[in-house]
Amino acid sequence: ETGVTQTPRHLVMGMTNKKSLKCEQHLGHNAMYWYKQSAKKPLELMFVYSLEERVENNSVPSRFSPECPNSSHLFLHLHTLQPEDSALYLCASSQEQGGGYEQYFGPGTRLTVT
Amino acid sequence: EDQVTQSPEALRLQEGESSSLNCSYTVSGLRGLFWYRQDPGKGPEFLFTLYSAGEEKEKERLKATLTKKESFLHITAPKPEDSATYLCAVRITGGGNKLTFGTGTQLKVEL
Repeated sequence: ETGVTQTPRHLVMGMTNKKSLKCEQHLGHNAMYWYKQSAKKPLELMFVYSLEERVENNSVPSRFSPECPNSSHLFLHLHTLQPEDSALYLCASSQEQGGGYEQYFGPGTRLTVT
Repeated sequence: EDQVTQSPEALRLQEGESSSLNCSYTVSGLRGLFWYRQDPGKGPEFLFTLYSAGEEKEKERLKATLTKKESFLHITAPKPEDSATYLCAVRITGGGNKLTFGTGTQLKVEL
């Protein structure tokens, strides 16, 4: 595997379900991110982990819960979502301090909440 | 408030018809401007980083330039495979590693 991978690629869940999104980066980076992408809107930064510590949480509802067990893996735990949470969820990674800060993205998980 | 505005929202070109996409920004202090390409159903693909006014970078048919208030992505003699949404993002002073994105320009190149 190379770059940033995400699973699953597609997810349909009811409002009462609990599911998790997984991201893995194979680039040796030390920062990871979750973004939400909705039609006609800019990418919305949700969470940032730097050196496995959460450094940003952009007023994201508590029904989204991130987890970063190590510098290569990032999870987004989902529970009791709303239909407006349907979107493309993107994971990204970058190298801080010595890198160019450009972020490399995974292919995304297309989430539909019914 | 930091803002990134991209224009046009959508652009349709004939193959070989060169054009430019615009990304204007209003930020407190620019630490980097990033261009990405995004194909439908995929994640953004990194293209360029520009750090200071006057800087230019090229890759195949794409050339990115930067001034103190905007960046252009010039597409020379585009081909249908250049069709995608092009996103720009900025990193600002005091913003850590956070990127602020524009809404993108959807480019379609026709035969």
